[in-house]
Parts: sequence; C-alpha cells; structure tokens
Amino acid sequence: GENVEQHPSTLSVQEGDSAVIKCTYSDSASNYFPWYKQELGKGPQLIIDIRSNVGEKKDQRIAVTLNKTAKHFSLHITETQPEDSAVYFCAASDDYKLSFGAGTTVTVRA
Amino acid sequence: NAGVTQTPKFQVLKTGQSMTLQCAQDMNHEYMSWYRQDPGMGLRLIHYSVGAGITDQGEVPNGYNVSRSTTEDFPLRLLSAAPSQTSVYFCASSSGRIGSPLHFGNGTRLTVT
Repeated sequence: GENVEQHPSTLSVQEGDSAVIKCTYSDSASNYFPWYKQELGKGPQLIIDIRSNVGEKKDQRIAVTLNKTAKHFSLHITETQPEDSAVYFCAASDDYKLSFGAGTTVTVRA
Repeated sequence: NAGVTQTPKFQVLKTGQSMTLQCAQDMNHEYMSWYRQDPGMGLRLIHYSVGAGITDQGEVPNGYNVSRSTTEDFPLRLLSAAPSQTSVYFCASSSGRIGSPLHFGNGTRLTVT
C-alpha cells in the first residue's frame, strides 16, 4: 500500500513569515495529493489539492508543488497569520482511498 | 447543511465492553470511511464502504466491525474494547469519484480503561 512521510512534525514561524511542509510518497500510481487542515477539536478540512498532471497550484496564500519524478509534494503558506495555527496533513491516493502523513503542527507566533 | 455527524463526542469504556460509534451524512455520498487518529501516526483507515451493502477493510481493521445498510449511515462497532483502541475516531465521506474531497465529521474521542 501507499506510504506517506511528512516533515517536519512541528513548525513554529513568526507571523508574516512563510511555512513549508514536505511530504514524500511511495506508490508511483498515486495521482491525487490533497492537503487538510485540522483545528483543535474538529475534523480535518480540505484546503487545497493537486493532481499528477499539474506541477503547481496556488490559492491566495497557500500553494502546493508536486514533483512526480522524485515522488514528493509540498505545501507553502506565505504571510502566515495566527489563524494558520493548526495541524496540517498531506495525503496521497490512486483511487478514492487516502493515505495520510503523520501531520505537522504549525504554530504562528505573534 | 449538517454534513457528516458523529455521535457521541466523548466516550469512556472499560476493557471488554462493546459499543457502536454512529456516523451519518446528508450529502448522498456513496463512499464512507472510518479513520483513527493517534499522536504521531496521522490518520489510519479502519474500514470503508463504496455503497450500501458493500464494506471492506482498511489498514487497521482488527477489533472493529462495520455495516452499511443505508447510504446515509455507517456505524463502527467495537466488539470487545481494549486499551489499544483509545483514540480519536473520524468518519468521512465523499462522492467516491477519484479526487473528490473527503468530508470529515468532528470526531469521537474514545478512552478505554
């Protein structure tokens, strides 16, 4: 099955700085790579996703990049704000079942 | 629009007890799934269903049963609770098409003593 590794496990950034989270996957058949944000006491919520035929996708302050050759993908958050503090999960899939990374706890310092 | 509803929010069980975690969705989604979340291990798939009457095992199915008698409901049963099943459980649903977003409930925090 698919194995997704996510780094770092924790990330502390100054408000206004950028945050980058990296993930690698093992199954070359995977073609869908979503990112989820989980706030305290809630379920994960999709924030952005990318498919294997696209190398980069941007939505306001967040962007994802995908390198299929190297089997890794990254989440970039620019101009971080306090409300960006949360746990972020990457995931990979070649069908409807998702395999998740272990998560990154992001703390934005005021 | 309720989305995915999980009950209860919290539960404490003694070892050996059984219980059912409820999950209901009102989005007419064909695909439903159960994950458990443990510190440092992300979300691991327990069981999933691609439609009423169809279920299959995920990554960590031992100790859990599921059934899917309707499109809306997908209960998770713990047959004989063990401390290793202490976790936060999430139900999620999607339309089932590849790349369709997975919608999560707010979770059930289960403690087994």
